[in-house]
Amino acid sequence: EDQVTQSPEALRLQEGESSSLNCSYTVSGLRGLFWYRQDPGKGPEFLFTLYSAGEEKEKERLKATLTKKESFLHITAPKPEDSATYLCAVQSGNYQLIWGAGTKLIIKP
Amino acid sequence: GAVVSQHPSRVICKSGTSVKIECRSLDFQATTMFWYRQFPKKSLMLMATSNEGSKATYEQGVEKDKFLINHASLTLSTLTVTSAHPEDSSFYICSANSGRALNEQFFGPGTRLTVL
Repeated sequence: EDQVTQSPEALRLQEGESSSLNCSYTVSGLRGLFWYRQDPGKGPEFLFTLYSAGEEKEKERLKATLTKKESFLHITAPKPEDSATYLCAVQSGNYQLIWGAGTKLIIKP
Repeated sequence: GAVVSQHPSRVICKSGTSVKIECRSLDFQATTMFWYRQFPKKSLMLMATSNEGSKATYEQGVEKDKFLINHASLTLSTLTVTSAHPEDSSFYICSANSGRALNEQFFGPGTRLTVL
């Protein structure tokens, strides 16, 4: 069964303390893995798409990497405004999009 | 680019009434739009896939007669919650494929529905 698991469920960091969020997946025929950021009461905001193992993408303090079974979202020297829920989604071979439950990231000043 | 809007952002209605939510792609044409429901502290639950000019495809367990979806143009899809009940209260979000890349979905800001 296709499945996406995000960990940890919640992560509290001090401002400037780098860390990583994990998205593990089992899917038949990966077409793409997506990272989104969601602020409370708002729709998800697109961050990255990764298509194949070994691919990396960066945007400001965020860097997403992909292997054959998981993706990491690395956050370097985070700021309080990086606080949000980060969602991972995987598109399977039949184009179905499977969502993880998200990681709530809190950056304390 | 790739901006999706939703209207209204918040709606409160009485039990038994119907509520219509609009989803628009503002700067691109979207042949496919998606409707999601999100419960507090939970991830997105796909309700249906809406294709322009044809009937929507509903996910298992979603009542098509309760959640009416219309995708009349390449920039507009609507979700109507018919005879709403308190258990329909939720955060409803639409998304659309941008067309720039095969798989990327861009989301609207969401609609908070409260049924009294």
